[in-house]
Amino acid sequence: GENVEQHPSTLSVQEGDSAVIKCTYSDSASNYFPWYKQELGKRPQLIIDIRSNVGEKKDQRIAVTLNKTAKHFSLHITETQPEDSAVYFCAAYAGTYKYIFGTGTRLKVLA
Amino acid sequence: DSGVTQTPKHLITATGQRVTLRCSPRSGDLSVYWYQQSLDQGLQFLIQYYNGEERAKGNILERFSAQQFPDLHSELNLSSLELGDSALYFCASGNSGATDTQYFGPGTRLTVL
Repeated sequence: GENVEQHPSTLSVQEGDSAVIKCTYSDSASNYFPWYKQELGKRPQLIIDIRSNVGEKKDQRIAVTLNKTAKHFSLHITETQPEDSAVYFCAAYAGTYKYIFGTGTRLKVLA
Repeated sequence: DSGVTQTPKHLITATGQRVTLRCSPRSGDLSVYWYQQSLDQGLQFLIQYYNGEERAKGNILERFSAQQFPDLHSELNLSSLELGDSALYFCASGNSGATDTQYFGPGTRLTVL
């Protein structure tokens, strides 16, 4: 069945360093990959997304890369700040009107 | 504020009971997705509606049902509640019901005692 694996489950970085979170999807028909940030007790919020016709997308300190052949995509956060601390979820549109979410990465940025 | 509203914010009930969670999508959005998030877990897709019709089903229990009304608001009904149903329930709305940007509501925290 459709599946999205996300690694690592927790990630601690020093303020100013970079953070990378990786996701692998199983359905080769997936063509849209959003990333969400969720702070404790709050709603998931879209931070960046990428479609399958693009290999990389950047928005200020955040970038996402997609490798369709290997069926994986990654979130890159540069110059991390304490306010980047949250849980990050990747997702893949499964082509059957539903999204499959990864299990989340808890990012801690240490001041 | 995403423009998606959910009520109630919190719900405490007993095992065996039935509850209804309500979601209003953003103005102009036709699709509503429902998700369950248990403590420290990911988002489990339950069901999607588009313009009043069910479009996709995930791992939704038979005790759970949903519908989308002509005004596009949606309700998720949970019956014969069990302790394990305690979770955050989010709805999200989108425009096309396909490769949408999903906008999440604030969630309803359900506690089953």
